[in-house]
Amino acid sequence: GQNIDQPTEMTATEGAIVQINCTYQTSGFNGLFWYQQHAGEAPTFLSYNVLDGLEEKGRFSSFLSRSKGYSYLLLKELQMKDSASYLCAVRNYSGGYQKVTFGTGTKLQVIP
Amino acid sequence: DSGVTQTPKHLITATGQRVTLRCSPRSGDLSVYWYQQSLDQGLQFLIQYYNGEERAKGNILERFSAQQFPDLHSELNLSSLELGDSALYFCASSVAYSLWETQYFGPGTRLLVL
Repeated sequence: GQNIDQPTEMTATEGAIVQINCTYQTSGFNGLFWYQQHAGEAPTFLSYNVLDGLEEKGRFSSFLSRSKGYSYLLLKELQMKDSASYLCAVRNYSGGYQKVTFGTGTKLQVIP
Repeated sequence: DSGVTQTPKHLITATGQRVTLRCSPRSGDLSVYWYQQSLDQGLQFLIQYYNGEERAKGNILERFSAQQFPDLHSELNLSSLELGDSALYFCASSVAYSLWETQYFGPGTRLLVL
């Protein structure tokens, strides 16, 4: 089985930087996604890491350490519209199938 | 707009009934994925089809089934519905099934079982 852990909730101030962590345990690891989901809406793809290191995309960056089973999503220059849930999802390859498993998500509240 | 369409947007039905949810993937995408999102369990992967063939299976109940048609649209059939099946059902699509694939989600179908 798989185990994905993220903090349930976080609060940060507009204009600040916030780091959302995700730890996982899985076999056949094939990559890690980060998605943003506003309440009542579909998830939106943010990033995908398959190799160790930092991937930067505008205000958002994602980091992966496969040996530690650890990833984080870094959001800079926070805006009110960044208030959403952030889902960490792990892809693995098992029994000839690829599978994606989502964490329960981190609800981020950005305050003025 | 992701390019993935789902119908209907909302569905209200009774326990014991059967419903069919429909998904049209983005133009050119061959893979379709189905997910269930409920308040208590978060987002759960149900099943994936690639070019008409079942490719991966997640936490899909035996009362649920899916298929992908030659025109690549997909349907998720939910039968003998229970109150606990009330959830948001998302469809996602991707170009193929390669390791670097990104999935694009549709707007979802909100199912309420009374």
